Amino acid sequence: DIQMTQSPSSLSASVGDRVTITCRASQSISRYLNWYQQKPGKAPNFLIYAASSLQSGVPSRFSGGGSGTDFTLTISSLQPEDFATYYCQQSYDTPYTFGQGTKVEIK
Amino acid sequence: QVQLQESGPGLVKPSQTLSLTCTVSGGSISSSGYYWSWIRQHPGKGLEWIGYIDYSGSTYYNPSLKSRVTISVDTSKNQFSLRLSSVTAADTPVYYCARESRPSGWYYFDYWGQGTLVTVSS
Repeated sequence: DIQMTQSPSSLSASVGDRVTITCRASQSISRYLNWYQQKPGKAPNFLIYAASSLQSGVPSRFSGGGSGTDFTLTISSLQPEDFATYYCQQSYDTPYTFGQGTKVEIK
Repeated sequence: QVQLQESGPGLVKPSQTLSLTCTVSGGSISSSGYYWSWIRQHPGKGLEWIGYIDYSGSTYYNPSLKSRVTISVDTSKNQFSLRLSSVTAADTPVYYCARESRPSGWYYFDYWGQGTLVTVSS
C-alpha cells in the first residue's frame, strides 16, 4: 500500500493567516492527489483533485501544488469557516489511502 | 445535485454480519465513469477505504478487509450495499458511502453520504 504522511498533525492559526499543509507519499503518485476538508460530525468535503485543480465552488483562497511524492495545500487567508481537519488522499493505485489528517485550530 | 444516504442497523453483535445500504438520488448509479465506494472512519481517526463497485458490478476490495467484505449493487433501486462479516469491536467506526468520479481521467470522491455510526456490542 502507498503510505500518505501529513505534517503537521495539527496547527494553530489566526484568521487572515497563510497556512500550508504538507502531504508526502511513500512512492511517486504523479499528480493523483486529492484534498478534503472535514468538520466535526460531518462527512469530508472535496476540495482539490489532480494535486492542484480546484473543485467547482471551492474558494480561490485554497490552492494545491506538488507532484511525485511531495504535495502542499495552502490557504492564503484563513477564514473562520476554514477551521477543520484536512486530509490528503492518493488515487494513483488501489487500495486508495488517506493521510492521517491535519487539524487547523483557532489560535 | 447528487445525494447519498446510508442506512442500516446501528447495532451489530460480535461475530455477526454488518449490512449497510447507500441510496443514491439526483443521478443514476448506472452512469458510466462513476464508481461507488464505502469508506470508514474510527472516531477521532483517519479514513480507511473499504472498496468500490462500478456500474457493471465489478468490485475491488481493500486487501486488509477483502476476506470479510462484499459490495453489491441494485440498479433498480439506485442503491449499493456493504456486507462485512465476522465483525469485532474494531469494526465500530462511522461508515460513509461515496461516489468516485473518473470522467476526466482523475479519480476523486466528490459526493459523500452523511455517515452512519455502527456499534458492535453484545
